[in-house]
Amino acid sequence: AQSVTQLDSHVSVSEGTPVLLRCNYSSSYSPSLFWYVQHPNKGLQLLLKYTSAATLVKGINGFEAEFKKSETSFHLTKPSAHMSDAAEYFCVVSVAGNQFYFGTGTSLTVIP
Amino acid sequence: EAGVVQSPRYKIIEKKQPVAFWCNPISGHNTLYWYRQNLGQGPELLIRYENEEAVDDSQLPKDRFSAERLKGVDSTLKIQPAELGDSAVYLCASTSRLERHEQFFGPGTRLTVL
Repeated sequence: AQSVTQLDSHVSVSEGTPVLLRCNYSSSYSPSLFWYVQHPNKGLQLLLKYTSAATLVKGINGFEAEFKKSETSFHLTKPSAHMSDAAEYFCVVSVAGNQFYFGTGTSLTVIP
Repeated sequence: EAGVVQSPRYKIIEKKQPVAFWCNPISGHNTLYWYRQNLGQGPELLIRYENEEAVDDSQLPKDRFSAERLKGVDSTLKIQPAELGDSAVYLCASTSRLERHEQFFGPGTRLTVL
């Protein structure tokens, strides 16, 4: 069975400080992992993806994530938060390339 | 390139009324997904199409929900009759054969059932 656990439902950071959004996954197969961002009243946008290549994945807007098989984790990081990063973030696991399982989301607040 | 198009963006209905949502995926994308996203939750799959065939509808409440993708392009999701608990955002997404891992999402339809 496949599942995703986002360990924090809300994260609050000051502008210019690092961001860490945590994600643990469970998968019976070699997973593909994704982070999506959802701004209010907007569709989900892909931030980055891991599909069994390099374990450190760089995405858009300065975000990156590291796949750690031993820890079954895929945490999302950014060195310096910007006000425009305030949004809902979803960690997603995929198997067989056509089934996607979403976490419950982490709401990121950026304090000026 | 146009993205995934959904309409309407918002819909308010009274319970027991029917409602329909429309989705047009990115041109050439053969796989289409309908998700339901409840407030404060992640999207949950309702149905997945490969071309015109529904290959995974195990989570679709078939007593009141139906969907179709007759020509393997655009798709319609219907609820009849709607219940209060159906209030949610209904998301459509599509993927291509070449890049199956990346889903492209539409903006969603926010349904409110009164």
